[in-house]
Amino acid sequence: NAGVTQTPKFQVLKTGQSMTLQCAQDMNHNSMYWYRQDPGMGLRLIYYSASEGTTDKGEVPNGYNVSRLNKREFSLRLESAAPSQTSVYFCASSATQGLWQPQHFGDGTRLSIL
Amino acid sequence: AQKVTQAQTEISVVEKEDVTLDCVYETRDTTYYLFWYKQPPSGELVFLIRRNSFDEQNEISGRYSWNFQKSTSSFNFTITASQVVDSAVYFCALCGGGSNYKLTFGKGTLLTVNP
Repeated sequence: NAGVTQTPKFQVLKTGQSMTLQCAQDMNHNSMYWYRQDPGMGLRLIYYSASEGTTDKGEVPNGYNVSRLNKREFSLRLESAAPSQTSVYFCASSATQGLWQPQHFGDGTRLSIL
Repeated sequence: AQKVTQAQTEISVVEKEDVTLDCVYETRDTTYYLFWYKQPPSGELVFLIRRNSFDEQNEISGRYSWNFQKSTSSFNFTITASQVVDSAVYFCALCGGGSNYKLTFGKGTLLTVNP
């Protein structure tokens, strides 16, 4: 019943620190996504991975890197955190490729950067 | 550029009332997809429905119904006989594009259903 699991659930960083957000799905999905959600902004796509071994930029990729480690795992890295990256981060997956596919979301990671 | 507008930031109703959440979209693409997602207080987003631009049939699922009208570029969501468990933020989203698809979410509507 796990679906999409994100770790950690909460994190506080200082400006300039680095951090990797982890995401794993157990549904054998091909595609995975990272979003950020800011108050009054909806969700914005940071990066996505259509299939294992591929990654593509979304709407707001600056300041982030991603790694599709294997079919299950897709991590998001902040190399030098900035206060503007304070947000709730969501990982999602879809069974097949394409941004038009329904997505399954994790519970989110609340990240604060001081 | 594509855009999704959910003009209603917050809606508050009393249980058993019907409520409609509005979604208006803009796109120049002829092929596109529209979605609704629910985000309950627990935080995770839950997929509710997807519609493609060639299928204007309305859909009903229990107390939920969706009205897709290309003529007005709208994809509205109605909850009939609302319940407290319907309290959530609801997002409308659009995926369109030719060779380069893009996914855009609206800013969401917070629905509060009071007992």
